[in-house]
Amino acid sequence: EAQVTQNPRYLITVTGKKLTVTCSQNMNHEYMSWYRQDPGLGLRQIYYSMNVEVTDKGDVPEGYKVSRKEKRNFPLILESPSPNQTSLYFCASSARLAGGEQYFGPGTRLTVT
Amino acid sequence: GESVGLHLPTLSVQEGDNSIINCAYSNSASDYFIWYKQESGKGPQFIIDIRSNMDKRQGQRVTVLLNKTVKHLSLQIAATQPGDSAVYFCAETSYSGAGSYQLTFGKGTKLSVIP
Repeated sequence: EAQVTQNPRYLITVTGKKLTVTCSQNMNHEYMSWYRQDPGLGLRQIYYSMNVEVTDKGDVPEGYKVSRKEKRNFPLILESPSPNQTSLYFCASSARLAGGEQYFGPGTRLTVT
Repeated sequence: GESVGLHLPTLSVQEGDNSIINCAYSNSASDYFIWYKQESGKGPQFIIDIRSNMDKRQGQRVTVLLNKTVKHLSLQIAATQPGDSAVYFCAETSYSGAGSYQLTFGKGTKLSVIP
């Protein structure tokens, strides 16, 4: 089954404690991205990757890092989380950049206290 | 800056009626426009897309219309069913240089289907 998986699904942490949210896809897609979703602000792109070792900033990259060492994995790293990073995070992958279907993961609900 | 927005934040329709969800965009250079459906507790799900050189595209029970003159996009759902209740997002992709594309989402319209 074609899917994007994220872990953990729910996470409560404290300010400053480094965390990583994993993302994996089994469709051999080149393009992967991370979004955060906040009430009233919709989905905003954090980072995206066009292929292994190729990453670029989206609209709201501050406070986040990513890596793309393997085609299937695209982890999101918060080196020093802050309360304003409390949000719902989605990972997505697609076969092409423009148009077409992006497959989204189930989401990770992060709370930073 | 360029943005994608929605005319109505909520829409209620009777089961069996047709639904029309609207979206305004401001970037005339966008290449693709895409509609996503997000059910409660789930990630967005692709519905249909349309390339900027098209005016209309049909899928199963859905039709997307693109009016580039007034920069307006709409999603029509025929014979709306309770399972169509969700938040619907429009999104646009535009080339941002160096082989990169920018994807921008609208804020969403909540569709509620009345049985």
